[in-house]
Amino acid sequence: EAGVAQSPRYKIIEKRQSVAFWCNPISGHATLYWYQQILGQGPKLLIQFQNNGVVDDSQLPKDRFSAERLKGVDSTLKIQPAKLEDSAVYLCASSLRDAFLRAPSPNTGELFFGEGSRLTVL
Amino acid sequence: EDKVVQSPLSLVVHEGDTVTLNCSYEVTNFRSLLWYKQEKKAPTFLFMLTSSGIEKKSGRLSSILDKKELFSILNITATQTGDSAVYLCAIPRKYIFGTGTRLKVLA
Repeated sequence: EAGVAQSPRYKIIEKRQSVAFWCNPISGHATLYWYQQILGQGPKLLIQFQNNGVVDDSQLPKDRFSAERLKGVDSTLKIQPAKLEDSAVYLCASSLRDAFLRAPSPNTGELFFGEGSRLTVL
Repeated sequence: EDKVVQSPLSLVVHEGDTVTLNCSYEVTNFRSLLWYKQEKKAPTFLFMLTSSGIEKKSGRLSSILDKKELFSILNITATQTGDSAVYLCAIPRKYIFGTGTRLKVLA
């Protein structure tokens, strides 16, 4: 089974430039998440999609970050303009269902992560 | 506000030692808690815990949940250098992760 695909793996940009990350979840996974992981910290949820709808984007800095999942499959995360503090690894994850909406079962809670996209803003 | 706190933040042990990692949480509508291992890349799933007092075990790793005291522990016995990683716990409601415990096992 193919895993979660992300690209690019690495990106270096200067502040005020823009960048876009792409994620293709595991086939059949309805829920897709974007996380930001700053060095030394745990992943922080930026946005959660259920199919092509946004479930939670409360921690997404909407003045500069945007994300979409137009056809309910792959997703893009954009940062424009980038700031120095945006340097982080951006992780995409998918799951079969939204564990919050369904009672837990062996397969509902697990998140499957991509390899991440490491962003350095100079 | 929901939160997840892990301790210790970092730990250095020698091969063969046993370690206990802690995860405490404050979450409304709790349903389950997950443990992940993160080496250099993306986190990989270890355990999902939903019921108090029932130990989940996988090889040298085991975990248990206490829903009354709102915490979980992850035990690793007979540690090996390959266990060196960051161990994260997470709550599926909003998928909140703790800051992680960085474990380093010395040969």
